[in-house]
Amino acid sequence: DGGITQSPKYLFRKEGQNVTLSCEQNLNHDAMYWYRQDPGQGLRLIYYSQIVNDFQKGDIAEGYSVSREKKESFPLTVTSAQKNPTAFYLCASSKLTGNTGELFFGEGSRLTVL
Amino acid sequence: SQQGEEDPQALSIQEGENATMNCSYKTSINNLQWYRQNSGRGLVHLILIRSNEREKHSGRLRVTLDTSKKSSSLLITASRAADTASYFCATDAADSWGKFQFGAGTQVVVTP
Repeated sequence: DGGITQSPKYLFRKEGQNVTLSCEQNLNHDAMYWYRQDPGQGLRLIYYSQIVNDFQKGDIAEGYSVSREKKESFPLTVTSAQKNPTAFYLCASSKLTGNTGELFFGEGSRLTVL
Repeated sequence: SQQGEEDPQALSIQEGENATMNCSYKTSINNLQWYRQNSGRGLVHLILIRSNEREKHSGRLRVTLDTSKKSSSLLITASRAADTASYFCATDAADSWGKFQFGAGTQVVVTP
């Protein structure tokens, strides 16, 4: 079945460590996104990519990095520079037909800093 | 910054009642979408309304859009316990193609 797969579902990190969250899609979508969600709050855009080998910063990119070497994959690295990384991370993709597109989401990765 | 802001933040109703939530946004948009999120899960797309549309229906959902007021509303008719979830609006700003931004959401609880 087509969809978006995020892994791991749960991740624990010690302070000062970098961690990488995986996001893979087999929907043949051009655009991919990373959002952060804090408890009881909405989604904030970290990074997005509309084409392979290109990506743009969202509203809260500091302390995060991404790569888009393949159309299917958009991994997110949470670096030690991110001061408050404990959150729920959501990856999404979109076909972006014309000037619009529906977002398809993965099931999320919950990162906890110990 | 959040492009969309929903109200109310939380809504508690009984089965069979209607649920209405609103979304306001700041800049001109290409379209506005509503999503649903069950606790601890990813978001699921419900409905999209384009900037040149005023109303759209999908099953028990009715969405309106007023671009002059930069606001939208989502109505869920004849609510069911299974409608319990958080609902978010997302906008695609006219000057930021493909950059989808979300509001803080409305948490809806439907009691049997």
